[in-house]
Amino acid sequence: DAGITQSPRHKVTETGTPVTLRCHQTENHRYMYWYRQDPGHGLRLIHYSYGVKDTDKGEVSDGYSVSRSKTEDFLLTLESATSSQTSVYFCAISESGSTGANVLTFGAGSRLTVL
Amino acid sequence: DQQVKQNSPSLSVQEGRISILNCDYTNSMFDYFLWYKKYPAEGPTFLISISSIKDKNEDGRFTVFLNKSAKHLSLHIVPSQPGDSAVYFCAAMVSNYQLIWGAGTKLIIKP
Repeated sequence: DAGITQSPRHKVTETGTPVTLRCHQTENHRYMYWYRQDPGHGLRLIHYSYGVKDTDKGEVSDGYSVSRSKTEDFLLTLESATSSQTSVYFCAISESGSTGANVLTFGAGSRLTVL
Repeated sequence: DQQVKQNSPSLSVQEGRISILNCDYTNSMFDYFLWYKKYPAEGPTFLISISSIKDKNEDGRFTVFLNKSAKHLSLHIVPSQPGDSAVYFCAAMVSNYQLIWGAGTKLIIKP
């Protein structure tokens, strides 16, 4: 167990409401990521962080924001949820920055349904 | 424009036989390729990787082959076991942080 937890694991919300998903790690890894997984698309990167207060956009960042005030926590916020944001969200961590493959360790996922 | 493609949504294999999962890519600049396995209601878990300068990497029952001229890689599992039933994702590393993922192939191992 890599010590990465996501909360909540399941959430149902209504269109237009704000939603925050939390990722917590106990590994002290530098890099943290938020992905979404949708049928036919694999995993798509939303945002990632390379240190406290250091974040950057991924390929599907519109409608999402993130914050990382502590090494162990990475928050994903949907300011105003839309039905297109219904998905399974995965947090991941890695120690990348050195040579070699960037091996990510994933949390169990957060299933979000926007009605 | 999908840079990493897994063209088979599903694959069914008899227990004990070889499973071969395929992945095609379009970008010659990928540094590494990785395979992940995912069970329902869990996050993906890392299986095996291969550097773009290699053509084969083996780890127990799992072997990944890379054919750079064809821009194709494959994951071989032999012998296949019931616990191998899962969704398998191919991912390509374009930098030290970004992975481009295929859509996944669901592997079903029949007893």
